[in-house]
Amino acid sequence: AQKVTQAQTEISVVEKEDVTLDCVYETRDTTYYLFWYKQPPSGELVFLIRRNSFDEQNEISGRYSWNFQKSTSSFNFTITASQVVDSAVYFCALSGGGTSYGKLTFGQGTILTVHP
Amino acid sequence: DTAVSQTPKYLVTQMGNDKSIKCEQNLGHDTMYWYKQDSKKFLKIMFSYNNKELIINETVPNRFSPKSPDKAHLNLHINSLELGDSAVYFCASSPYTGGLTDTQYFGPGTRLTVL
Repeated sequence: AQKVTQAQTEISVVEKEDVTLDCVYETRDTTYYLFWYKQPPSGELVFLIRRNSFDEQNEISGRYSWNFQKSTSSFNFTITASQVVDSAVYFCALSGGGTSYGKLTFGQGTILTVHP
Repeated sequence: DTAVSQTPKYLVTQMGNDKSIKCEQNLGHDTMYWYKQDSKKFLKIMFSYNNKELIINETVPNRFSPKSPDKAHLNLHINSLELGDSAVYFCASSPYTGGLTDTQYFGPGTRLTVL
């Protein structure tokens, strides 16, 4: 069975602070993909990043960066110099093989509030 | 211009009624999905279709029936609505065959409220 855990239910920061959202996953698959999605207050789900299990290189996109560590089964997401517009629910998700083939298993989500 | 669209955006209905939610994607994707997001924001897959064929059917009551008239459309019909069906329902689509590599793109969601 696959599982994604986002232990931080809610995080509150002040604008310009850096913030890291944790994601820990469990899977028996050797090949799998990890994702982050953002759900702003307007409610839609916005795709942010996809990472495959064979690529442990960290990725940076503007103020966003992702740290994938297979040894600790973690795929953490850092926002540098946070802005009010970053306020949203962030979901980590896992796509694997076997009976989970083709479906996303989501974590519980982390509510990020950035105060001005 | 919209990639994945859903109608209606809001749906308020009485217990026992039958309702449908429509989903369309113009991305040329082969696979479409329905997810349910409960009041605690937890997202769980319900169904997926690849080229009009059902490929994932999670443990969902028989009152929920997906229908895919073509690969660009996946509708969700719900019979005998219950209070517990109140949730946000998201449609998504992905390219290829619904494999683990595919990025899923989501519609705006339909908020269903059963009174």
